Formats: sequence, structure tokens, C-alpha cells
Amino acid sequence: GDSVTQMEGPVTLSEEAFLTINCTYTATGYPSLFWYVQYPGEGLQLLLKATKADDKGSNKGFEATYRKETTSFHLEKGSVQVSDSAVYFCALKEGNFNKFYFGSGTKLNVKP
Amino acid sequence: GAVVSQHPSRVICKSGTSVKIECRSLDFQATTMFWYRQFPKQSLMLMATSNEGSKATYEQGVEKDKFLINHASLTLSTLTVTSAHPEDSSFYICSAPRTGGITSYNEQFFGPGTRLTVL
Repeated sequence: GDSVTQMEGPVTLSEEAFLTINCTYTATGYPSLFWYVQYPGEGLQLLLKATKADDKGSNKGFEATYRKETTSFHLEKGSVQVSDSAVYFCALKEGNFNKFYFGSGTKLNVKP
Repeated sequence: GAVVSQHPSRVICKSGTSVKIECRSLDFQATTMFWYRQFPKQSLMLMATSNEGSKATYEQGVEKDKFLINHASLTLSTLTVTSAHPEDSSFYICSAPRTGGITSYNEQFFGPGTRLTVL
């Protein structure tokens, strides 16, 4: 069945450091891939997405590239800020179905 | 942007009681809503799909008599945890897709979650 695996946290970085959060997936078909972010006390918000192989999703300085050959969708940011502190979830969705499969979430702490 | 709300945000109850959690889409209609459960340091697990005007669809392993879902209107779905026990303590999150007009594109909007603690 479909599943998503992402690196365990927490990840603690200093401001302006480079961020990578690894995400790999298993899917039977050709899924769309997502990164969601959850700030304290708030709902999950879509950060970026990619719908087919080699697509790159980007938003707010974050990027992730859909790599079919390695079944990965790693999240990167060149220079993190304190305001990026949150929990990040990798997820996939098959076709037009609304069913999501989520990773376990990675908490990011950015220190000033 | 679209907002999905949940109420309450936190609830503590005694074992054996029932607890109702509401999920509302605030500025769009949703014929379908989804209920997830999240254990500490684990993935969000889809529990069921709430369908307006028809019965909810439950994922394998989820007790439908334990977790009652009612999609009362196009903007409201409720999850009732019946005869709650400590093992039901968890973080419950709902989501609703908003379809994008003439296209088939839709985006999921998630509620902030409800923390249930059963003593």
C-alpha cells in the first residue's frame, strides 16, 4: 500500500542555516506529493506540491523536487528563519482521490 | 483563504462518556470532509470520510460504532467518540476539499485539530 516516510525530528538549526528534511514514498500509481506545515495552534497549511515526476514545488524559499527514480521529495531551504519553526509533514495523494497518506512529521526548531 | 475550524480545541472527559467534535468549513461548502487521528510522533491516520447526505465511509480497522460521524450540512461534520476510554486519547484533525470552479483541481484545508484526553 501507499506510505510516506520522513526523517524523525526534532531538527534544531541556527538562523540562516541550510535545511533538508528527507521524505521518501511508496505508491502503487503516480501520486501527487505535498509538503504541509503546521504552526503551533494552527491547522496544516499547504507549503508546496508537485504533481508529476521532475516537478519542483517551491514557496516561501522552500523547495522540493519530485524524484521518481529515488521515490523521494526532500524539502530544502537555503537559509532558515526563526519564523520557520513548525512541524513539517510530507504527504502523497493518488490521482483525483482525496485520500492523503502522511509522514510522521518533523519538528523544526530554529534558534536565533 | 479557505478556513476550516474545529471545536473544541481541547477536551478532557471521564472514561465512559461521549465527546462530540465539530468541523466547519467557514467560507465554502464541502460535500465531503475527512477525519484523521494523530498519535504522538506518528502520522496522521485517515479514520473516515464524511459524506453529506449519506453514510460515512470508514477506513479498515476503525470502529464505526465507536466513532460516529454525521455530516449535518454542507459546512458541518461532527465526530462523536462514544463511551470514550483512555486509549481514545489523541489529536483529531478534520479536513475539507474545496473544488476549484470549472477545473477538477481541489485543495485540502485542514482544521487546527482537537486534543482529546480521556481520564
